[in-house]
Amino acid sequence: QVQLQQWGAGLLKPSETLSLTCAVNGGSFSDYFWNWIRQPPGKGLEWIGQINHSGDINYNPSLTSRVTISVDTSKNQFSLNLTSVTAADTAVYYCARQDFDSSVPHYYYFYMDVWGKGTTVTVSS
Amino acid sequence: IQLTQSPSSLSAFVGDRVAITCRASQGISSYLAWYQQKPGKAPKLLIYAASTLQSGVPSRFSGSRSGTDFTLTISSLQPEDSATYYCQQLNSYPYTFGQGTKLEIK
Repeated sequence: QVQLQQWGAGLLKPSETLSLTCAVNGGSFSDYFWNWIRQPPGKGLEWIGQINHSGDINYNPSLTSRVTISVDTSKNQFSLNLTSVTAADTAVYYCARQDFDSSVPHYYYFYMDVWGKGTTVTVSS
Repeated sequence: IQLTQSPSSLSAFVGDRVAITCRASQGISSYLAWYQQKPGKAPKLLIYAASTLQSGVPSRFSGSRSGTDFTLTISSLQPEDSATYYCQQLNSYPYTFGQGTKLEIK
């Protein structure tokens, strides 16, 4: 059964770079897109971006100028870097697997079915 | 694409039938998923493709679509259903979530 184990620095100062990594354990790495999602305290979910094993990437335009998602296929890991953080970047950051259902011809229904436990990142001077 | 959930919060009794609505600002076909999130936990997938129940999810959960309106229904509310529920569109980038509906058990 696949599990996502994530880690990274939990306390940052403004202007520093947030770096998180998510390791995929117990399942295929190459068949999926791998996502980062965040949730500010007491608020809703925001999709940050995704990557697959080939390095195909999609970012949320609201973060494109500061975000980089990368993949290390030799370790079955993917990472998130977010530069120039501010207090607004304080959130729980989740990694998640995107799978799809293609049982309906010509349709690929995506969903995020496996999630990491989340990493709390606080930005404070 | 903006997703608007209603209500933002609700309270119901065990055994009640509960419905949460998610309205998309434009057409997304059936590229919509529903998640349940409990405090301090990651979201859990309940439904995808608007109405397909994820494996292992109790059958009291169901989803439906009418145009750009989507509904998550819990047929007989259980105490463990107390949580916040989110819809997500995966029709186009950037993926977006609804603002959430907090469900409380009376």
